[in-house]
Amino acid sequence: GAVVSQHPSWVICKSGTSVKIECRSLDFQATTMFWYRQFPKQSLMLMATSNEGSKATYEQGVEKDKFLINHASLTLSTLTVTSAHPEDSSFYICSAKVNTEAFFGQGTRLTVV
Amino acid sequence: AQSVTQLDSQVPVFEEAPVELRCNYSSSVSVYLFWYVQYPNQGLQLLLKYLSGSTLVKGINGFEAEFNKSQTSFHLRKPSVHISDTAEYFCAVSDLTGFQKLVFGTGTRLLVSP
Repeated sequence: GAVVSQHPSWVICKSGTSVKIECRSLDFQATTMFWYRQFPKQSLMLMATSNEGSKATYEQGVEKDKFLINHASLTLSTLTVTSAHPEDSSFYICSAKVNTEAFFGQGTRLTVV
Repeated sequence: AQSVTQLDSQVPVFEEAPVELRCNYSSSVSVYLFWYVQYPNQGLQLLLKYLSGSTLVKGINGFEAEFNKSQTSFHLRKPSVHISDTAEYFCAVSDLTGFQKLVFGTGTRLLVSP
């Protein structure tokens, strides 16, 4: 199947700093990628849909100025958590679709201290 | 809009026993149905999917699921579980239009004991 690579796998940052998470489709082109957030022992909540060459579409309640998404190429989407706070600590997962199947990155564990 | 209900947050089972993880969905339109498995600190891996055709779907690792339209269910089963099946299992649906965004259930933790 298709491979989606997410980097870094984990990151610890200080409160007030920004963190960038990369999501790459390694063996296919992805015009659309999805970013999810998962709280401990909870399900995945869709944050935004990332579209190559255009603005991302954010789900209701997600701050677009805080979670900046850039999809500059057909194989790379980035999520930048700006001015991170401890409540932003979470597991972030990206995915990309090939036909009807979604392929997921391995996730990024963000801890803000 | 779609929604997914996984009533069992945790299912303990002994090794080699059968297991069923329940999933019910709600949607006003036709949907695709999926089961994903997540191991600790990892992304999701597709177990199986129902798009159309036969209502009994077979997936990887010996899992299967049956789509029941009248009961709006898509329960996951395995006749004999292994210790390595211990993980979190998510049921998900997507509509057939647009970006086909996935809507996930809350997940069921399968705990397999020796």
